[in-house]
Amino acid sequence: QQQVKQSPQSLIVQKGGIPIINCAYENTAFDYFPWYQQFPGKGPALLIAIRPDVSEKKEGRFTISFNKSAKQFSLHIMDSQPGDSATYFCAASEGYQKVTFGTGTKLQVIP
Amino acid sequence: DGGITQSPKYLFRKEGQNVTLSCEQNLNHDAMYWYRQDPGQGLRLIYYSQIVNDFQKGDIAEGYSVSREKKESFPLTVTSAQKNPTAFYLCASSPRQGTNEQFFGPGTRLTVL
Repeated sequence: QQQVKQSPQSLIVQKGGIPIINCAYENTAFDYFPWYQQFPGKGPALLIAIRPDVSEKKEGRFTISFNKSAKQFSLHIMDSQPGDSATYFCAASEGYQKVTFGTGTKLQVIP
Repeated sequence: DGGITQSPKYLFRKEGQNVTLSCEQNLNHDAMYWYRQDPGQGLRLIYYSQIVNDFQKGDIAEGYSVSREKKESFPLTVTSAQKNPTAFYLCASSPRQGTNEQFFGPGTRLTVL
């Protein structure tokens, strides 16, 4: 019930491509869905987040698409750059309860 | 500068020794968390504390202990009972108001020889 399933585990795209990372959840009480970006040897940092009352949120080249009925959400990176190479984690939480993280997607953007 | 500090960045210990990882925050956040990160397994919650002098076990608490005597500090002790302690340890905090954003420290890489 508390799991967040993330796919794919790894992803390689050419510069300018649009990598898409998908997550699925079961707990319908979740009300906050963030994405974190982590560079090697560093702590994760919040990239973008969405509430379940909207279907899409865009910040710069990063977009979250949210499908409440399917209990799925995804991260799209437009015009990807080599500097976007990192590990991306989706997550979900209910109120101020503990956060449940996906298993991560390692993205490599090739010049 | 506000933020979360973890020390040391790298830590080496012999098998059978207890070791304590430091986590300090000056963000005035109520909640603090410890995660363990292993390749391909994401972030697994060890312990968390939502208020001073109170903490709860996470998903993988066996072999670990914590204390929360001050709002700013949440040290993690890796005991000799932890069977596979070599990992990257991340501390985080959150304000428990507004969004539930987690603010992470830079991490401590523990290697047990």
